[in-house]
Amino acid sequence: NAGVIQTPRHKVTGKGQEATLWCEPISGHSAVFWYRQTIVQGLEFLTYFRNQAPIDDSGMPKERFSAQMPNQSHSTLKIQSTQPQDSAVYLCASSFTGGTGQLYFGEGSKLTVL
Amino acid sequence: GDKVKQSPSALSLQEGTNSALRCNFSIAATTVQWFLQNPRGSLMNLFYLVPGTKENGRLKSAFDSKESYSTLHIRDAQLEDSGTYFCAADDTNAYKVIFGKGTHLHVLP
Repeated sequence: NAGVIQTPRHKVTGKGQEATLWCEPISGHSAVFWYRQTIVQGLEFLTYFRNQAPIDDSGMPKERFSAQMPNQSHSTLKIQSTQPQDSAVYLCASSFTGGTGQLYFGEGSKLTVL
Repeated sequence: GDKVKQSPSALSLQEGTNSALRCNFSIAATTVQWFLQNPRGSLMNLFYLVPGTKENGRLKSAFDSKESYSTLHIRDAQLEDSGTYFCAADDTNAYKVIFGKGTHLHVLP
């Protein structure tokens, strides 16, 4: 089992550009989560999907951030018009049972907005 | 306030010694998870607990749902135990997992 796979591992963008981050969950897991980690805020929940359906996006900034799960093998987090304050490590996790099940994390995508 | 509070926030200990990390909850949690984030940034599962205890090598964790806390005991600390330890509890009202802010552990040679 390859674990949760996130790409790219590092991304540098200029202010105002778009960034798309990818996550491939563990095969057979029904839930996918996105978190953002910064020194100041720690680990922040962004959104999660179960069986590809969006369940809770209460942590997503209302503007510029969107997430999709078009099929059971991948999810994307898109940030439009990136700003320096979007710089963070974005972590994806999957779970076999859903919202409160054991989480398995990918290695994260470090986004730097210049 | 924080729904999941970890203590201490940082800790240094000598190789070979023992320590305990604690996590207190202000939510009605039914499960607790402990993770170690290594210097590369990877979050590794350590334990997934219902009320009770689990042990894995030099690590032992306990979860008391009635008193709303969990502990992680590290025995005979090694250099590779260094990193940030996170606990996370399920908020059954919100049906999601809430993370603490972590304990930064530095094991000294």
